[in-house]
Amino acid sequence: AQTVTQSQPEMSVQEAETVTLSCTYDTSESDYYLFWYKQPPSRQMILVIRQEAYKQQNATENRFSVNFQKAAKSFSLKISDSQLGDAAMYFCAYRSAFSNAGNMLTFGGGTRLMVKP
Amino acid sequence: KAGVTQTPRYLIKTRGQQVTLSCSPISGHRSVSWYQQTPGQGLQFLFEYFSETQRNKGNFPGRFSGRQFSNSRSEMNVSTLELGDSALYLCASSLEAGMAEQYFGPGTRLTVT
Repeated sequence: AQTVTQSQPEMSVQEAETVTLSCTYDTSESDYYLFWYKQPPSRQMILVIRQEAYKQQNATENRFSVNFQKAAKSFSLKISDSQLGDAAMYFCAYRSAFSNAGNMLTFGGGTRLMVKP
Repeated sequence: KAGVTQTPRYLIKTRGQQVTLSCSPISGHRSVSWYQQTPGQGLQFLFEYFSETQRNKGNFPGRFSGRQFSNSRSEMNVSTLELGDSALYLCASSLEAGMAEQYFGPGTRLTVT
């Protein structure tokens, strides 16, 4: 079974600064997807960014980028130019690429990000 | 396009009762997954339905069940409620089974007293 670990329960960043959230995972599979989801206090989970394991290039989405280290099984999220609206719980998630796994996501425990004005 | 909708948004039940939660996926989406979110256990996968068939099931007791209708709407049922079932129940939909992108609904907050 796969596991996802987020070692930082809480992080804090000054507005306009950069912050990096850590995520490590354990799997014996070679093909999979990794995701970062954001859950603001309103509770609606929003997809921030995704990475396909077969792609060496790190995914980027505007101010959000990842550092994907497949050999180290590490998948960190970097938020540049932090904004007050970035304050939320951030979840790292894993999904197998095998068809019989369907859409099942395995989540980490989450990191609460606070943004200071 | 309307997003994933879940009803009701809040629910209070008593131990021993049963409850049914509903999820309407984004139009055209055929896969619906359910997750339980609690402070202690985090986000845990309950089950996934695709074309009215249960595709995967998480490690939950048989009191948790679900189904999907021909219009892709899904319901989950919890029988003989326990205090530990208090949680936020999230539904997520995607276009097809195995598609990378899932869209989550706002959740149903269930409180068991």
